[in-house]
Amino acid sequence: DIVMTQTPLSLSVTPGQPASISCKSGQSLLHSDGKTYLYWYLQKPGQPPHLLIYEVSKRFSGVPDRFSGSGSGTDFTLKISRVEAEDVGVYYCMQAIQLPLTFGGGTKVEIK
Amino acid sequence: EVQLVESGGVVVQPGGSLRLSCAASGFTFDDYAMHWVRQAPGKGLEWVSLISWDGGSTYYADSVKGRFTISRDNSKNSLYLQMNSLRAEDTALYYCAKGCGVVIPSAICDWGQGILVTVSS
Repeated sequence: DIVMTQTPLSLSVTPGQPASISCKSGQSLLHSDGKTYLYWYLQKPGQPPHLLIYEVSKRFSGVPDRFSGSGSGTDFTLKISRVEAEDVGVYYCMQAIQLPLTFGGGTKVEIK
Repeated sequence: EVQLVESGGVVVQPGGSLRLSCAASGFTFDDYAMHWVRQAPGKGLEWVSLISWDGGSTYYADSVKGRFTISRDNSKNSLYLQMNSLRAEDTALYYCAKGCGVVIPSAICDWGQGILVTVSS
């Protein structure tokens, strides 16, 4: 199984300030088809997760452009350019290059 | 709008069985692989099972292999999870989730609200 490691465990951010979350995979997520199967999800309090970023850096439908993803191979980053109150929750990275799908442990983002 | 509505969650005794259902709408159901993902209380996300668009291929996490069975009825736009030999560690919120496409493995693009399964005597 591919182990996904997220840091930090939690983050407290002042509204309007940037935030960054790291995700490292136990093996490369670059497929022979040229795509990298790394995804980011946000689970707001009391809600199911929803997709933010797919294939490292592509924003899903309706996701604000303050969210961006970057990285390659085994090292990935989710950045929020200016955190807003509605961004609170737990962020998860996930790999989909092979089964079982595996998730990072989550990063809890709170507002100061 | 994609809608995934789970049902069937209850309190069940260890060793018991349960069948979860998921009613899908808002998309062409048989164009997508489908997943079940669970989340134990206060914990992170754990992928449980995946079924191909036509039901011909199924995949399971080691933790549920041999005990859980995923299936689908494309004529009813429905996904199922038959859960047997339930254990306390199966207690979780179970999410029905829509794949991002037909290719296996498929990432997860949409999630239901989840249904709580509690295994307790």
